[in-house]
Amino acid sequence: DSGVTQTPKHLITATGQRVTLRCSPRSGDLSVYWYQQSLDQGLQFLIQYYNGEERAKGNILERFSAQQFPDLHSELNLSSLELGDSALYFCASSVVDHGYTFGSGTRLTVV
Amino acid sequence: TQLLEQSPQFLSIQEGENLTVYCNSSSVFSSLQWYRQEPGEGPVLLVTVVTGGEVKKLKRLTFQFGDARKDSSLHITAAQPGDTGLYLCAGAPGAGSYQLTFGKGTKLSVIP
Repeated sequence: DSGVTQTPKHLITATGQRVTLRCSPRSGDLSVYWYQQSLDQGLQFLIQYYNGEERAKGNILERFSAQQFPDLHSELNLSSLELGDSALYFCASSVVDHGYTFGSGTRLTVV
Repeated sequence: TQLLEQSPQFLSIQEGENLTVYCNSSSVFSSLQWYRQEPGEGPVLLVTVVTGGEVKKLKRLTFQFGDARKDSSLHITAAQPGDTGLYLCAGAPGAGSYQLTFGKGTKLSVIP
């Protein structure tokens, strides 16, 4: 157990639908990062939150949004889902030593 | 955009052999990390290198950061089946930014 908890582990949904992925960071970590992993693109940075505030944005689609709550857990919202959104979505947390601790991921399948 | 190129993309070797995987970029990174990922799991941090020319050893794994902080290598001695996995390098762009750029990885299979 890495200390970073992601739910759900698997998600199957239809095109056009909206889903929410949840992440609880390791105790004491203020930063949460979301990454998308696909076979052809590898791990792509989506967004970072630090202590409740958005800190950096990467290749995140406008259909995707995220937030970090006062208890530091984070949610990634994916809407108007397309087949191409099928991927593994990882959350990671860190302190200031540049090392990430990843969760086990959510495998999203859009059918 | 900072890119990290990893080679080889795939590597299949016999137990007991040595191997080296490479991570190269045209950009300078303030630090570089190596992760190993197993199927169905998230990447697990193996090491962070910060200083140009730095060498770190983790049992049979040796990590080196290039002098110019643009490249890195991972050498595994006497590979074992437990070393099987996807090896990812990731670079941090600079002070104050902890957003990592990941390479696409080297998929290693060690055959007993």
